[in-house]
Amino acid sequence: GIQVEQSPPDLILQEGANSTLRCNFSDSVNNLQWFHQNPWGQLINLFYIPSGTKQNGRLSATTVATERYSLLYISSSQTTDSGVYFCAVGPNNDMRFGAGTRLTVKP
Amino acid sequence: DGGITQSPKYLFRKEGQNVTLSCEQNLNHDAMYWYRQDPGQGLRLIYYSQIVNDFQKGDIAEGYSVSREKKESFPLTVTSAQKNPTAFYLCASSIDQGKAFFGQGTRLTVV
Repeated sequence: GIQVEQSPPDLILQEGANSTLRCNFSDSVNNLQWFHQNPWGQLINLFYIPSGTKQNGRLSATTVATERYSLLYISSSQTTDSGVYFCAVGPNNDMRFGAGTRLTVKP
Repeated sequence: DGGITQSPKYLFRKEGQNVTLSCEQNLNHDAMYWYRQDPGQGLRLIYYSQIVNDFQKGDIAEGYSVSREKKESFPLTVTSAQKNPTAFYLCASSIDQGKAFFGQGTRLTVV
């Protein structure tokens, strides 16, 4: 099956810093999504981005499907950005998740 | 309110019992999914359904069963054959090739 690798596994930032999270995948996909899991376990969908670039406020994402990777950018990080960020990919609707990047933003 | 509702939030199961986790959505989505999350891990796909009366096994289907008799409902049964069922279970739904939305999850503990 498709393999999903996320890096770095852990990231600690000071409030206001910028960061880039990476997702590599092993096969071509038609479905790629980024999620944020808060400390209570709730998963929030950040982007549906099988290709191209999207922006939503301080967050943006780019997927280069031909090179099988996606990047999530967080600018001017806030303490509320803390949590685990997951990339999920799939040929269709059935997505497989990476192990996540645990982000801690310190005040 | 539109969204996905999972119940119960917490569930305790005795060894050898079957338990059923509920997942209901009012988003009119065709596709629904069940994932399992163990502490500090990513999500693993148990079952998914793209249309009513049809579902497919994911990567860890052994010891689980599902049904999809209605578009809005996708219950998951954790059977006694599942040897290590203690985990956080998450249900999601989506339109075809669209954003997936998750419920708040059910924490299952074997006592």
